[in-house]
Amino acid sequence: AQSVAQPEDQVNVAEGNPLTVKCTYSVSGNPYLFWYVQYPNRGLQFLLKYITGDNLVKGSYGFEAEFNKSQTSFHLKKPSALVSDSALYFCAVRSTSGNTPLVFGKGTRLSVIA
Amino acid sequence: ETGVTQSPTHLIKTRGQQVTLRCSSQSGHNTVSWYQQALGQGPQFIFQYYREEENGRGNFPPRFSGLQFPNYSSELNVNALELDDSALYLCASSSYRGLNTEAFFGQGTRLTVV
Repeated sequence: AQSVAQPEDQVNVAEGNPLTVKCTYSVSGNPYLFWYVQYPNRGLQFLLKYITGDNLVKGSYGFEAEFNKSQTSFHLKKPSALVSDSALYFCAVRSTSGNTPLVFGKGTRLSVIA
Repeated sequence: ETGVTQSPTHLIKTRGQQVTLRCSSQSGHNTVSWYQQALGQGPQFIFQYYREEENGRGNFPPRFSGLQFPNYSSELNVNALELDDSALYLCASSSYRGLNTEAFFGQGTRLTVV
């Protein structure tokens, strides 16, 4: 069975500092990995994905994520946080084999303090 | 804007009633998935429809049912509502042919069962 763990419920970071939101996954076979962001009372917005190839993936709004197969991790990063980055972030995984749905983590709330 | 629209945005129902939620998928997408997001949790997969047929289901009881229409829009029906059904219901559309493609989410329907 597929699963995603986001070990931190909340991450606080000062504006201008680098941020990291952690994600580890479990999947049969190889993974497709995704990050989504959710603002209050809104649906999920796609940020970036890992399919294959380069382990460092760049996405929207200056976000990037690093795929680490040996550690089964896909941490979200940004070199310099903005107050407007404050939101709920979800990591999701899907197996590359078969028609399997996206499985989400429980989310990490990011708070960027001015 | 993702091009996925859901209606209504908010809904209040009484325990035991039935509810229908609607979703219009993004142009060119033939797959629609429904997710339930309880407060403080990540989205949980309910089911997926491809070309008007259900082709994947999560751990939800049969009183959760759905339809997909020839234009790929979709409905989620919930019978015999329970208090625990109170949640944000998210619809996502994607291209079935591309398991590695991201799903695009609507803004959600907030269902409150009283």
